Amino acid sequence: GAGVSQSPRYKVAKRGQDVALRCDPISGHVSLFWYQQALGQGPEFLTYFQNEAQLDKSGLPSDRFFAERPEGSVSTLKIQRTQQEDSAVYLCASSFQGASYEQYFGPGTRLTVT
Amino acid sequence: SQQGEEDPQALSIQEGENATMNCSYKTSINNLQWYRQNSGRGLVHLILIRSNEREKHSGRLRVTLDTSKKSSSLLITASRAADTASYFCATPNSGYSTLTFGKGTMLLVSP
Repeated sequence: GAGVSQSPRYKVAKRGQDVALRCDPISGHVSLFWYQQALGQGPEFLTYFQNEAQLDKSGLPSDRFFAERPEGSVSTLKIQRTQQEDSAVYLCASSFQGASYEQYFGPGTRLTVT
Repeated sequence: SQQGEEDPQALSIQEGENATMNCSYKTSINNLQWYRQNSGRGLVHLILIRSNEREKHSGRLRVTLDTSKKSSSLLITASRAADTASYFCATPNSGYSTLTFGKGTMLLVSP
C-alpha cells in the first residue's frame, strides 16, 4: 500500500470497555511496531513483531494490553477494561527489518477513555 | 524510559534563520534517526545516520553524529514556516527490536 494505515482514527471508550485498534503496515515490511504517545512526549515502545512472531512485548504496560499479527501483515492492539490512564495516541509503524532501518508511521489512533 | 534527550525543549525562530537541535543518548548504537511530527502529517522519518558516519545531508537538513560523545545534532537551514513541528531523535535498543525516542524539540518558525 501507499503507507501505514490505522483505524479508527479516533476512539472514545467508557472506562471498563474493551477496544481494538487496527494497523495495516506497508506491504512487504517484515517488522511492525506499536507505540503509545502521551501529550507532549515522544512515542513509547509497546511491542514488536517480525512477521507473525511477537518478539518483544516488554513495553506493554499491563496484561490488559494484547497485540497480535496472525498472518504477518495486519496487526491488532487490544486493550481490555480500559482505564483513564490508557488515554493516548497509539501509533503503529512498519519497517523493512527491525530498528536498523527507518520506520514508517501511521497517522495514529487517538483513544480517549471517559 | 527515554534514551535520547533533545535539547532545547523548544525553539522559536524567524523564517530564513537556521535551527539547530541536539540529541544525547546513553548506550552504543549502530544508527540514530531523526523524525518530525506535526498535526498534519503525523510522524515522518527525516534521516538515518549510521555509527560509521560523521555527517549526513538531505536537502536543507544536516545531521552530525559523534559516537565518542554519544550525541547528534540536526541543523535545518533557511527555515520555513512549514518546518514548524516537533523533532525527535531515536535510537535502537540493544536488541534492535525497537526505537527509543526522546521527548522532542518543539520548533516554531514564524513568517
